[in-house]
Amino acid sequence: NAGVTQTPKFQVLKTGQSMTLQCAQDMNHEYMSWYRQDPGMGLRLIHYSVGAGITDQGEVPNGYNVSRSTTEDFPLRLLSAAPSQTSVYFCASSRGVGNYEQYFGPGTRLTVT
Amino acid sequence: GNSVTQMEGPVTLSEEAFLTINCTYTATGYPSLFWYVQYPGEGLQLLLKATKADDKGSNKGFEATYRKETTSFHLEKGSVQVSDSAVYFCALSDRNQGGKLIFGQGTELSVKP
Repeated sequence: NAGVTQTPKFQVLKTGQSMTLQCAQDMNHEYMSWYRQDPGMGLRLIHYSVGAGITDQGEVPNGYNVSRSTTEDFPLRLLSAAPSQTSVYFCASSRGVGNYEQYFGPGTRLTVT
Repeated sequence: GNSVTQMEGPVTLSEEAFLTINCTYTATGYPSLFWYVQYPGEGLQLLLKATKADDKGSNKGFEATYRKETTSFHLEKGSVQVSDSAVYFCALSDRNQGGKLIFGQGTELSVKP
């Protein structure tokens, strides 16, 4: 039982490049989400999904796309990287929303130059 | 909208000192409240939670009580250890707002031997 896995752990991009951050969970959780962590700002929700085929925007969705074709996978796509997207990205999953525990992946540290 | 405010860090304590990290929240409904902990280089993990007023969450010697009258959920530990050095995040989830987690900015704790 690996929990929530994320790849890559580190990535450097040039402005304008695109890439996909991978996230997978093996706990059969319906709810998955992506956050970015910036100093002094806590974690901010980018996108989330309440089940396969269903996604919605969070607090800071601009510049990011997501899809959820399976219960297990929830990739995050950066369409055209900008220096403002330099951050640490966390994927999380849970059985549902409300008072359920969210399980976090180890994070991806992204630098955009 | 809903929000969470934590005391600013970093907090530096000596081993066996008493810890308090303040957390207050603003919510339109009746949220569930959480404390998550992030150890260096890792993702977040749930430390404790409380789902209704006057509930006390506890784990690993940490405690927090859901105080509706003061809209607070302060984290306490009677005797900290070096291994407690981490970043602590207070968060809320409000079913009336879709149940998504909203985080405070985080408080870094450093415990010296």
